[in-house]
Amino acid sequence: DADVTQTPRNRITKTGKRIMLECSQTKGHDRMYWYRQDPGLGLRLIYYSFDVKDINKGEISDGYSVSRQAQAKFSLSLESAIPNQTALYFCATSLRTGGQETQYFGPGTRLLVL
Amino acid sequence: GQSLEQPSEVTAVEGAIVQINCTYQTSGFYGLSWYQQHDGGAPTFLSYNALDGLEETGRFSSFLSRSDSYGYLLLQELQMKDSASYFCAVRETGGFKTIFGAGTRLFVKA
Repeated sequence: DADVTQTPRNRITKTGKRIMLECSQTKGHDRMYWYRQDPGLGLRLIYYSFDVKDINKGEISDGYSVSRQAQAKFSLSLESAIPNQTALYFCATSLRTGGQETQYFGPGTRLLVL
Repeated sequence: GQSLEQPSEVTAVEGAIVQINCTYQTSGFYGLSWYQQHDGGAPTFLSYNALDGLEETGRFSSFLSRSDSYGYLLLQELQMKDSASYFCAVRETGGFKTIFGAGTRLFVKA
């Protein structure tokens, strides 16, 4: 079984709709992240959470919100989807070991906003 | 501001050696990581450098110079399966988050 899972894997929605992307992990990591990936722009951080009570904005949080329901679950919401939110979304988890932090990524959710 | 610069594309021949450079400007610095991503897949961790010097893991090596804010990933004995995108990433001390570069697309030719 995959350690980091994302649902749905693919989603098509219309402008103005609310949509939620879900991420679950069985790695026992306390840190979780949401990134979006666009061609030529790499991975850009949307939100991150270092534990259940800690939520932080990343580089591009406008238009997004998150919920850390439990240590193992971190959801990303688009309250009113717009076409330029069409992208590949990745959830990641990490466990800090000293200064090093290795991130483990889920398989991604491909979102198309029409 | 925060920025990581790496070439957008590199092409090399099977069996050759290729170096992918990364320069960074960030708010504090813990270390430099490298991730590999195949088409349609998720990024996977390759290496991490916190101190100056070369770290070797099989065919892959990673180098860091903190004074130059520079690092590189060296891939030896290239194989077709190495065709992928490679991202450098810096873990910042301010905010403790990781910033990724835009990625380098490596094409390995037969």
